Amino acid sequence: SQELEQSPQSLIVQEGKNLTINCTSSKTLYGLYWYKQKYGEGLIFLMMLQKGGEEKSHEKITAKLDEKKQQSSLHITASQPSHAGIYLCGAVHNAGNMLTFGGGTRLMVKP
Amino acid sequence: GAVVSQHPSWVICKSGTSVKIECRSLDFQATTMFWYRQFPKQSLMLMATSNEGSKATYEQGVEKDKFLINHASLTLSTLTVTSAHPEDSSFYICSARETARMNTEAFFGQGTRLTVV
Repeated sequence: SQELEQSPQSLIVQEGKNLTINCTSSKTLYGLYWYKQKYGEGLIFLMMLQKGGEEKSHEKITAKLDEKKQQSSLHITASQPSHAGIYLCGAVHNAGNMLTFGGGTRLMVKP
Repeated sequence: GAVVSQHPSWVICKSGTSVKIECRSLDFQATTMFWYRQFPKQSLMLMATSNEGSKATYEQGVEKDKFLINHASLTLSTLTVTSAHPEDSSFYICSARETARMNTEAFFGQGTRLTVV
């Protein structure tokens, strides 16, 4: 979706390394969601951010929302092979509450 | 937590036949459900918004006569791919949010892998 740009498109990191995935919206954000997916499977909800400056963490994954920049980042600390998959950011841009998605980031973690 | 169940998880059908995919919210009511399609190595693309008791809203480029959506109750939406062709082969995922709690996460079904031969 051009409304939501995600970078990088793919990422290969060595186990134990930190990494960051970015998601930038061209429209005002009402909510920003991060999901993890393995292609052909459902989405695993990671985090939802709604307020500027909001930061949430779950295990080794932290997500932040910069409302002014209409941008969110997902940071994984000390990556593990279990973190491998496709990370998708989804945004709600209007009251219709439908989610539009970024292009996804394919993460591979090398043991 | 809230669960969205999608059925079937995979289906193979012959070209020209129709396939119905069900999406159920198991423990909450959803006035609105969303249908997405995902091609290999691509992100999710919204196809349509399913509204309980009224017509679905389709995204630009999605044929409403080909992808029939019915949202007959607050817990069930169906997507029927009519006269399926090989190019309709894809991964279809539905999503729902609890109507009474709009500022919550969107829950997704497990997805349906459709292969048209």
